[in-house]
This record gives sequence, C-alpha cells and structure tokens, in this order.
Amino acid sequence: DGGITQSPKYLFRKEGQNVTLSCEQNLNHDAMYWYRQDPGQGLRLIYYSQIVNDFQKGDIAEGYSVSREKKESFPLTVTSAQKNPTAFYLCASSGPGGLLAKNIQYFGAGTRLSVL
Amino acid sequence: AQTVTQSQPEMSVQEAETVTLSCTYDTSESDYYLFWYKQPPSRQMILVIRQEAYKQQNATENRFSVNFQKAAKSFSLKISDSQLGDAAMYFCAYRMEYGNKLVFGAGTILRVKS
Repeated sequence: DGGITQSPKYLFRKEGQNVTLSCEQNLNHDAMYWYRQDPGQGLRLIYYSQIVNDFQKGDIAEGYSVSREKKESFPLTVTSAQKNPTAFYLCASSGPGGLLAKNIQYFGAGTRLSVL
Repeated sequence: AQTVTQSQPEMSVQEAETVTLSCTYDTSESDYYLFWYKQPPSRQMILVIRQEAYKQQNATENRFSVNFQKAAKSFSLKISDSQLGDAAMYFCAYRMEYGNKLVFGAGTILRVKS
C-alpha cells in the first residue's frame, strides 16, 4: 500500500542523547515535512525538503537536524540541544500532479517522543 | 506572518445533527489555500476538505462543507448528519499559494453524543 511510514511509534530519550525518528514514503512525493505537535497547540513546522539533498528550516528548527539523501526518506534527529523534546512528531509529504495536488500534504501516523 | 485562530476549544453535537466549527485567519495574500484536517484518537491526520481562495464556490465533500468568507477571512466547517466516527480533533490550516508551510490553528475537539 502507498503511504507514509513513521517509526518507531514510541521513543524515549535519555538526557544528553541524540535520537532519530524515521520517515519513509512510497508515494513518489518530492516534498517532505516534519511537524511537532504539543498539547493544546496546532502543528508547528520543524524542517521541510522540496527535493533530494536540499532542506530548509521551519519555525522551530533549533535543536533538530535532518537529511534528505533519498527521495523516499527524511529522517529527523532530535539532538541534545533540544531541551524540551517531549512531543508528538508528524511527518508529511506532498507530490506532483499539478499545483493543487502539490498543496495537499499527507501525514504519517506519528512518533511520540518522551524524555526519561 | 499568517495566523490561524480556532476560537472553540471543544464542541459537542448529537448524533445525526449538524455542527459548525469556526476558523479565522490573517493574511495579506490574495491567493492561498485553506484546509480542514481531522485527527482521531489514532493521531493520524486526515484531510477532510480544501478550499482554493480564488474560488467563490464553497467546497463540499459528502457530509462536510465549508462556508468561506474571503473578505471576513473566515473558513468554517459544517458537518451534517454527524456520526460517532466524526469524533476527533479538527484543525484548520492555511497555506500560501507558493509557500511550503501549513499554518495550523490550535484545534477544536469535537465530541459526538449517541
């Protein structure tokens, strides 16, 4: 089935540790995104990538890093510099098919990150 | 900067009745896109409906319709014949025509009573 796969579903981070969240899509989408969701707030953009080997910071990029070596994959690393990493993280992608299709973002099932 | 405001933290509706969720936004752009996403307890974000700002006609998808008032910068979602499966958090979102970022509101929790 086509879709966006995020793993793991739950992740725990120890203090000072870097952790990596996986996001894989088989929709042949060019653009991929990472959002953070906190209770009582909407989603906020961390990073996005429009093409392979290129990515841009979103609104809350500090303490996070990404890579885009393959079209299908856009992993997010939560570094030790992120002092409040506990949140729900959502990956999304959008693809070809005309301007309208490019404006629709499809989401994975998310990863819940907690600090031990 | 664009902002999206959902003024109703929680709403309740009786099964089979109609409910309207409110959303206002602030932008200086003339061309943009608006979306409603649903997030059920599974936390999976699901696109409900979208509206192109250049279209005057309100979008409709089965039991879901919007009331788009461009001058008032208002974009409400109407759910008709509410079903138990409609219970979820609903997010209103905005995107510039040539932008990459979705700007989300804080969400409205919809509860459906049987």
